[in-house]
Amino acid sequence: AQSVTQPDIHITVSEGASLELRCNYSYGATPYLFWYVQSPGQGLQLLLKYFSGDTLVQGIKGFEAEFKRSQSSFNLRKPSVHWSDAAEYFCAVAHSGGYQKVTFGTGTKLQVIP
Amino acid sequence: ETGVTQTPRHLVMGMTNKKSLKCEQHLGHNAMYWYKQSAKKPLELMFVYSLEERVENNSVPSRFSPECPNSSHLFLHLHTLQPEDSALYLCASSNALAYNEQFFGPGTRLTVL
Repeated sequence: AQSVTQPDIHITVSEGASLELRCNYSYGATPYLFWYVQSPGQGLQLLLKYFSGDTLVQGIKGFEAEFKRSQSSFNLRKPSVHWSDAAEYFCAVAHSGGYQKVTFGTGTKLQVIP
Repeated sequence: ETGVTQTPRHLVMGMTNKKSLKCEQHLGHNAMYWYKQSAKKPLELMFVYSLEERVENNSVPSRFSPECPNSSHLFLHLHTLQPEDSALYLCASSNALAYNEQFFGPGTRLTVL
């Protein structure tokens, strides 16, 4: 069965500092990988996705993620964090198939301090 | 309206009430999903409808009853809920015939007294 691990429950960074959120997945075949962001009281918004091809993917709001098959990782990065990035971030993996059976990680809550 | 909408946004109900959550997608998708999001737990997939047919039912108690009358609308009928059912209920949609992401609605915050 597929699974996703986000080892950091809570991260605090200073505004302007760089950010890396970790994600490890377990899946037997080529995974479809996603990062979503959720602001308080809101639904999930897609930041970026990896299906195939270039292992470094660019997303919205200046985020990027790198797929490393050898490490089963899909870490999210941003070179300079803004106060508006404070939110909860979810990594997810989907299996191949028509509809998407997606497994989500438990999330990493990001706090940004001035 | 654009994207995925959910109504109501907030709902408080007693354990003996019957209520329904509504989800509507304006994206031309043909798969729709219900998720439950509780504090400190991963998102739990509850139901999936693909091409208007229920294809997933992840051991959800029968007090939750989904309905998908067409590819744009999804309902979750609630009856005799328990306090532990209090959570954020999220609806999502996607294209069942291609590999792409799910688009989420803003959720309904449900409180069961």
